[in-house]
Amino acid sequence: GNSVTQMEGPVTLSEEAFLTINCTYTATGYPSLFWYVQYPGEGLQLLLKATKADDKGSNKGFEATYRKETTSFHLEKGSVQVSDSAVYFCALSDNTGNQFYFGTGTSLTVIP
Amino acid sequence: DGGITQSPKYLFRKEGQNVTLSCEQNLNHDAMYWYRQDPGQGLRLIYYSQIVNDFQKGDIAEGYSVSREKKESFPLTVTSAQKNPTAFYLCASSITPAGWDRGGNQPQHFGDGTRLSIL
Repeated sequence: GNSVTQMEGPVTLSEEAFLTINCTYTATGYPSLFWYVQYPGEGLQLLLKATKADDKGSNKGFEATYRKETTSFHLEKGSVQVSDSAVYFCALSDNTGNQFYFGTGTSLTVIP
Repeated sequence: DGGITQSPKYLFRKEGQNVTLSCEQNLNHDAMYWYRQDPGQGLRLIYYSQIVNDFQKGDIAEGYSVSREKKESFPLTVTSAQKNPTAFYLCASSITPAGWDRGGNQPQHFGDGTRLSIL
């Protein structure tokens, strides 16, 4: 079946530190991969996506590369800011199905 | 601006009462979804709908019901049969259901959620 496994949190970093949040997946077919961000009390916002192997999604300084050989889609940012504090969700959409599959989320807190 | 509107933002339910959460989208999206989010957990799919007048159960449909009479609307009813309804409920939509776009699946767009609590 399809599933997404995310690095467990919470993660606490100092401002300007490097961020990595690990995400690996299991899927049939050719999935598309997504990272969403959720700020307190709000819904999820799409952060970036990649729809085929070796694609790199990027947005607001965040990047993730679709690695089919390691079934991974790790989220990275070179220098985090306090405003990046949120919960991050990795997700996949399998084009043989009709659903999205979400990881359990990783809480990030950035301290000044 | 196009988007998804969920209402109310906060909702309280009494014992034995049914409550309905509203979800409206003006994105002209075909597919709509309801998720439940509990503290520290990921999203669990309750129901989804790919087209008007059609919907399917997700992983945790028991105690919930939905309708899809209009493309833009997908209300969720939390019935008295749902014994643990306290949670954050998220509605989402996508332009085509996953699996229908071989050019790369489209992302889901989310509303701001409704927080349901028991009185």
